[in-house]
Amino acid sequence: DTEVTQTPKHLVMGMTNKKSLKCEQHMGHRAMYWYKQKAKKPPELMFVYSYEKLSINESVPSRFSPECPNSSLLNLHLHALQPEDSALYLCASSQEGEESSYNSPLHFGNGTRLTVT
Amino acid sequence: KNQVEQSPQSLIILEGKNCTLQCNYTVSPFSNLRWYKQDTGRGPVSLTIMTFSENTKSNGRYTATLDADTKQSSLHITASQLSDSASYICVVSGAPNNAGNMLTFGGGTRLMVKP
Repeated sequence: DTEVTQTPKHLVMGMTNKKSLKCEQHMGHRAMYWYKQKAKKPPELMFVYSYEKLSINESVPSRFSPECPNSSLLNLHLHALQPEDSALYLCASSQEGEESSYNSPLHFGNGTRLTVT
Repeated sequence: KNQVEQSPQSLIILEGKNCTLQCNYTVSPFSNLRWYKQDTGRGPVSLTIMTFSENTKSNGRYTATLDADTKQSSLHITASQLSDSASYICVVSGAPNNAGNMLTFGGGTRLMVKP
């Protein structure tokens, strides 16, 4: 089992709903990421948090709102999504800074399969 | 623009056979290259990592090669098993600390192993 836990595994929501995706890791990693993955495509970076601060926002629409309550948790708040936002949303974490080395991979969760109706 | 191209896009082989997946990259600066395996409906899992000074790295039945001069890598799978059916993604890092925003993902090769 992965060391990065994502909930829920599946989510179906309407375009007027508000929902949240959750991600948790207890490896002491200080960098956490949200990726979006469409079918048969590689993951696309959305957000990067470094030491609980948002460091990268890859021009993601404001209907996606990330939050990092502490070093172990990462949320993605969803509001007024469109059907084209349906995808697998992957959370990942990694070591950073002095703790990191070339041998430190991204640790991915198993994702939340999101369907927007 | 940094790019990672993988071939073939998809591949079907019989159980027990070998196969080789290819990855060509134009990423600068270059720090390391990693192969990930992604099972359907799950997150990617790291298989191997190689820096510019490494030519070959093995992990069980998986062997990765790297030619930093031609900017090519390959992943060879020996004696394939049904559980090898997955997408294999080549990821090139432009930073030693593998910061997520310095990664370039390839499009992946979807491998299906049939009995």
